[in-house]
Amino acid sequence: AQTVTQSQPEMSVQEAETVTLSCTYDTSESDYYLFWYKQPPSRQMILVIRQEAYKQQNATENRFSVNFQKAAKSFSLKISDSQLGDAAMYFCAYRRTRSNDMRFGAGTRLTVKP
Amino acid sequence: EAGVTQFPSHSVIEKGQTVTLRCDPISGHDNLYWYRRVMGKEIKFLLHFVKESKQDESGMPNNRFLAERTGGTYSTLKVQPAELEDSGVYFCASSQDMRGYGYTFGSGTRLTVV
Repeated sequence: AQTVTQSQPEMSVQEAETVTLSCTYDTSESDYYLFWYKQPPSRQMILVIRQEAYKQQNATENRFSVNFQKAAKSFSLKISDSQLGDAAMYFCAYRRTRSNDMRFGAGTRLTVKP
Repeated sequence: EAGVTQFPSHSVIEKGQTVTLRCDPISGHDNLYWYRRVMGKEIKFLLHFVKESKQDESGMPNNRFLAERTGGTYSTLKVQPAELEDSGVYFCASSQDMRGYGYTFGSGTRLTVV
């Protein structure tokens, strides 16, 4: 079974600094997708960034980037120049290709301090 | 385009009562998914509709849960009778294609069973 582990229930970062959220996953598949979702206090989940497992290059979206280590089954999210609006729950998710079953981690609550 | 809409946003019911949650996906999205997050735990897949058909309902916890998607438009998730352990946030998501590459989530319904 595929599982997703987020070992940091809570994290905090000073505004304008950088923070890294950890995620590991367990799978025997070689072809899959990985995602980071953000859920602000308004509660709508928003896709932050996604990575295809077959791509070696780490995905980047503005201030958000990932460190994808396929052999280690690690998929961390780095937020640079943190802003107050980055405060939210962050969920790491895995989905096997050609499957509709997306597996989520338990989430990391990020606090941004002014 | 309108996003995924869920109603109600909050519901508090007594054990043994019935509750019906509704999800309106993005227009034209054939795929509709239900997920649930019990407090402090990971988000778990419940089921997947393709149009009006249940493609995968392997995540439904038991027969107290009934999901429908009449006409392939909006979906309802009924819990009858509700138990304390059903409390949590129920998320709905929709996507345009089977791969589910681009999920759009709703804001969720927070269900509290007392």
